[in-house]
Amino acid sequence: SQQGEEDPQALSIQEGENATMNCSYKTSINNLQWYRQNSGRGLVHLILIRSNEREKHSGRLRVTLDTSKKSSSLLITASRAADTASYFCATAPVWGNNRLAFGKGNQVVVIP
Amino acid sequence: DARVTQTPRHKVTEMGQEVTMRCQPILGHNTVFWYRQTMMQGLELLAYFRNRAPLDDSGMPKDRFSAEMPDATLATLKIQPSEPRDSAVYFCASGLVLVTGGVENIQYFGAGTRLSVL
Repeated sequence: SQQGEEDPQALSIQEGENATMNCSYKTSINNLQWYRQNSGRGLVHLILIRSNEREKHSGRLRVTLDTSKKSSSLLITASRAADTASYFCATAPVWGNNRLAFGKGNQVVVIP
Repeated sequence: DARVTQTPRHKVTEMGQEVTMRCQPILGHNTVFWYRQTMMQGLELLAYFRNRAPLDDSGMPKDRFSAEMPDATLATLKIQPSEPRDSAVYFCASGLVLVTGGVENIQYFGAGTRLSVL
C-alpha cells in the first residue's frame, strides 16, 4: 500500500522563521493531505491538494505537489509557538475508497 | 461544533482483561476508521467501516481484536484478552463518502483513548 514518508523527521526553529517539511510517496494518488497533531490530541486536517493541482495556500500554509517526483512539501510561514506539533502527510488512492495512507510524522518545535 | 467523541480517554487495565473503546462519529458521516498509534509503528489502520459494514479489518489481530458498529452513532473496538503490547493510543476517525463521487477522503479524528495494559 502507499505510504507517505515525511522528511525531515524533526525540526526545531525560532518563532517567526519558516518551517518546511517534505513528503514522498510511492504510487499514484487522488489527493494528498496534511494533518497536524498536537501533543495528546487527535489529528486535525490542515489542507488537501488534488493530484491535478501543483500549489495550494491556506493562511500561513503553502503546499506543493509534484506528481512526477511523487513528492509534496508543506511550508509554514512566520511560525508561532502554537505551531509546535507533529505534521503528517496522508495520501488517498486513485480508486477513491476513502482510505488514507499516513506517513510517520514530522515533529516541529517552534521556540518562542 | 461537530466532533468525533471517544470514550474513555484513558484506560489502565491488567493483562488478560477485556477492553472496550467507544466512538461516536460525526452525525451524517458514513465512514469510520480505527487507528492505533505507537512511537515505534506510527499510525496503523486497524479497521474501516462504510455505512456500518466492515470493509477492511486486515490490520487488526483477529484473535483478540474485534470492531463493530451496532448503529450509525456508535462504533466499538474490543480487545479480549488484552496484552501489554496492546498499549497504545487508539484513534477513531469519521468521514463522508458521497454517493455521487468526488471523494475527498478527509478524516476527522477523535481525541483518542490512551490504553495501558500492565
